Order: sequence, then structure tokens, then C-alpha cells
Amino acid sequence: EAAVTQSPRNKVTVTGGNVTLSCRQTNSHNYMYWYRQDTGHGLRLIHYSYGAGNLQIGDVPDGYKATRTTQEDFFLLLELASPSQTSLYFCASSDPGTSAETLYFGSGTRLTVL
Amino acid sequence: SQLAEENSWALSVHEGESVTVNCSYKTSITALQWYRQKSGKGPAQLILIRSNEREKRNGRLRATLDTSSQSSSLSITATRCEDTAVYFCASNYNQGKLIFGQGTKLSIKP
Repeated sequence: EAAVTQSPRNKVTVTGGNVTLSCRQTNSHNYMYWYRQDTGHGLRLIHYSYGAGNLQIGDVPDGYKATRTTQEDFFLLLELASPSQTSLYFCASSDPGTSAETLYFGSGTRLTVL
Repeated sequence: SQLAEENSWALSVHEGESVTVNCSYKTSITALQWYRQKSGKGPAQLILIRSNEREKRNGRLRATLDTSSQSSSLSITATRCEDTAVYFCASNYNQGKLIFGQGTKLSIKP
């Protein structure tokens, strides 16, 4: 079964702060994703990647950067955090070639921006 | 606007009863997926149904897909307390991207 690990589980920062959320998957999946989850909005795609060094813009990218350093590691960066970015963030991975577009999610990082 | 959305915010049934969660989507899709999210966890896929399929089963779960009305349903029979979760539909409309609905919170009462 796919393993996706996110860190930290919880993070509190102040407005204007710099935050990095980390995600590692150990199933050699090519695709990785960052979603945010908010009440009333479900899961919304921030950024995604097809492989190391590749970055694709999702549906709600404003205020976020991302970097895919290796096949395993995908980072989400908030360089000037704002209270509107308080949310539950999920990382996911998939390999459409073999697992029929199934997404495997981590357990999430809860971010609070004060 | 939502490209995929469940039709109810919340449902509640008693253990042992059956329940159906409905979903509508707004684009031509290649497949539709149902996910379940339990408290404190990430979503986990339950069923994937492709655009050329009309029904898919997985144990007590049954998903249907009607491409003419752009709708899908997920039925759970003989519900158990552990079925309590948020259920999402998600539509594949472009390779590598899923659009999730807002989710339906299902509560199973003892």
C-alpha cells in the first residue's frame, strides 16, 4: 500500500511568517499533489508535479510555491503566510500508469496562521 | 462553481440501514472516484468507475454512473458505526488532476 508521510502534523505561525510543509512518498509514484481542505470547499488543488524538477499549477496557487526535489519529496512553501492560508493541507501521490489515477493521501498538516 | 459536488451536506442513518450519497459533475469525465475520509485521516479511495461503466461494486459499496445526467451515486448497505466519515466524489477530467466535491458527512447511529 502507498505510504505518504507529511510533516509536521501541526504548525502555528504568524502573519508574514515563512512556512515549509514536507511530503515524502515511498512507492515510486511519479505524480504528487498538494491540496488544501476547508469547510464548505472540500479539497482544492494547489500545485502538483509529474516528477523531480517538474511543477504544475493547480486551481488555487496564489500565495504558494512548491518544489519537487526528488521523486519521493514534494514541498509546499508559504513565504509570507496570511490568515487566509489557515487550513488543513494534504499531500497525495499517484501513478496513473499502474494504479488507475488513484490518489494516496497523507494524514495531513494542520496550519494555523495567527 | 464546483466541477463536482455531492448533493447533501450531511446524512444520518441507524446502523444496519442502507444509505445513498449522490454526486453531480459538470464536465466530460474519464472516470469518477469515491473517497472516504475518517476523522484525523486523509481521504482513501473506495471505488473508481470509468466513463464507460454504469455500476461498480466493492463489498457493501455500490457506485453507479450516469453520464447522460452527469451524476453518480454511492450506496452503502448494512451500515456500521465505522462507516461514519465524510464521503467525497472526485471527477477525473484531465490526466493527473482530480476535482473533489465538498463532501457529505455521514453519521451512523447505534
